[in-house]
Parts: sequence; C-alpha cells; structure tokens
Amino acid sequence: DTAVSQTPKYLVTQMGNDKSIKCEQNLGHDTMYWYKQDSKKFLKIMFSYNNKELIINETVPNRFSPKSPDKAHLNLHINSLELGDSAVYFCASSSAQETQYFGPGTRLLVL
Amino acid sequence: DAKTTQPNSMESNEEEPVHLPCNHSTISGTDYIHWYRQLPSQGPEYVIHGLTSNVNNRMASLAIAEDRKSSTLILHRATLRDAAVYYCILRVNMYSGGGADGLTFGKGTHLIIQP
Repeated sequence: DTAVSQTPKYLVTQMGNDKSIKCEQNLGHDTMYWYKQDSKKFLKIMFSYNNKELIINETVPNRFSPKSPDKAHLNLHINSLELGDSAVYFCASSSAQETQYFGPGTRLLVL
Repeated sequence: DAKTTQPNSMESNEEEPVHLPCNHSTISGTDYIHWYRQLPSQGPEYVIHGLTSNVNNRMASLAIAEDRKSSTLILHRATLRDAAVYYCILRVNMYSGGGADGLTFGKGTHLIIQP
C-alpha cells in the first residue's frame, strides 16, 4: 500500500478556475504538509497541519487553503487559479519532527 | 532552519563510492543534519540523519565533522538508480522545542552517475 498518496497525478485547468488536490496517508502520522516545487525545481513548504491545527503558513496567497477532514487527509483547495500556480505540489506526512514521507506529486498546469 | 551549502552537481561512475559534501557553519547545538534525495519525477525521500556521531543505514553513511560545521553523505557503491538531487537540511531537535515545521530545501546537489 502506498504510504502517502495524492490525486490527481496531473491537473490541467484554465486560469480563474477553482481546483482541489487530495492527499491521504496511511502511516498514522499526526502532521501533514504541502510543498510547492516550481519550474526551477525549488521546493518550498506551504502549510503544515498538526492534529487539525494549522502550524505554519508561509507567504502563500489566501487563494490556497488546506483542509483536513481527519488526521489521515490534508486536501489543498486553490481558488481563482493563476498562471504562476503551475507547479508540482507534494504532500508529505510525519510524526512531529521525525522523518517526512512524501507523496508522488500533483503536476498542475494552468493555461 | 540554518543554512547549508552544497555543490550544484557532482558526477561519479557506477559501482564507485560517492562522497557528497555539505557545509553548515552556522549549525546550532540542537540541529540535526538530515539528508533527503529526489529522484527524477518523484517526491523527495529520506536518506539518513545524525547529530554528532557518524551514522550508517542500508542506503548510505553520514560522516559528521567533529566541529559539526560540515558533513558528508557517502554512497558506498553508486548505481544508476542513485542519480538524483541530494539535499542536506538542518532541523531543530524536536525535544528542544522544535515545532512540527516543514523542511527548508536548498538547491541540493545534482548527482550524475555514469554507466
């Protein structure tokens, strides 16, 4: 079984649309994260959730909102998509400051 | 997380050892040294971590300088599947009050393995 899974793997959409990316982990971890990897391959933390509480929120536009229905899921909602949102988004999970396990990524292309 | 410095790229031959250096001159006493790698078109994966002593696991070895201002990730026998970007990351010890924050990735070292 995949430890951290994301859907969809690819997402192509028009500018201005609203979309969601789902993430699930079956490791029993209490902390989940979203990272963004841009076209220059820089990986940057966007959010982390610990026990349904937002721990950090880097300088991310409020068009991005993480939603955690339960400890095993952390979904990423993006409103009014812009061209600059095109990137690969990675979900990860960990037990506090322990090793982080990453998902396979969602490749988002905004046209 | 404190800053780390790594070479942009390194090249090695298959089945030879690879030594990937990392400088972290501003490391604090509570920082652990973590290594992750990202294979092409995949998410990052954990490789190894340590605090002061050298560490070994099934993937690699980590050699930490006595003053902890640098470390070296050692792949004992590189294969083509080890071609990836390797990231050296410092993390605050959770037992010293570090929160559940994300990893701060630098540019990493792009490791190229020649057959």
